[in-house]
Amino acid sequence: SQQGEEDPQALSIQEGENATMNCSYKTSINNLQWYRQNSGRGLVHLILIRSNEREKHSGRLRVTLDTSKKSSSLLITASRAADTASYFCATLYNTDKLIFGTGTRLQVFP
Amino acid sequence: DARVTQTPRHKVTEMGQEVTMRCQPILGHNTVFWYRQTMMQGLELLAYFRNRAPLDDSGMPKDRFSAEMPDATLATLKIQPSEPRDSAVYFCASGFQGYTEAFFGQGTRLTVV
Repeated sequence: SQQGEEDPQALSIQEGENATMNCSYKTSINNLQWYRQNSGRGLVHLILIRSNEREKHSGRLRVTLDTSKKSSSLLITASRAADTASYFCATLYNTDKLIFGTGTRLQVFP
Repeated sequence: DARVTQTPRHKVTEMGQEVTMRCQPILGHNTVFWYRQTMMQGLELLAYFRNRAPLDDSGMPKDRFSAEMPDATLATLKIQPSEPRDSAVYFCASGFQGYTEAFFGQGTRLTVV
């Protein structure tokens, strides 16, 4: 399976703390994307990092990519209760095949 | 407000029945995906289309699942006959080839009893 893996599977933190999620994948990619899923809803795109980039920022999100290790991390700074959701990495193969990781469930307590 | 629309949102059916799930992709998107989400397997890619042509359906059980795009505004996923292990949430997503973002529908929650 090309499916990536994420860790931790679950993460619980207090509001204001930072949350870090990691993603590992198996083969060469075009880009790597992070998505968020609220319970019972569809996935929503958060941020994309291309294979030739090492770091990307968007608001409170910071994504890193290490293609030599086939891994990425998503950092959410100053977390809020509203950040509670599942987060998935997705890797783009062959320009159009999008494969999702196993996801991290984030719980942010007020 | 462009969005991917999936119908029905919920479906309960008996084992052995045919199930058809429908998806209206965002107008202009040329790539359509079908995913299945379960607690055990996570998000599995079942099939995807580009310009209405199937590119890869290797993730789909061929004997009972079929996916089609009769036209650019409709994608369908059929299960015949359905089995309890098919119970899951099925998502459709659309985007542009080589895209930077996939847009997801709200999913069809299928329960086969």
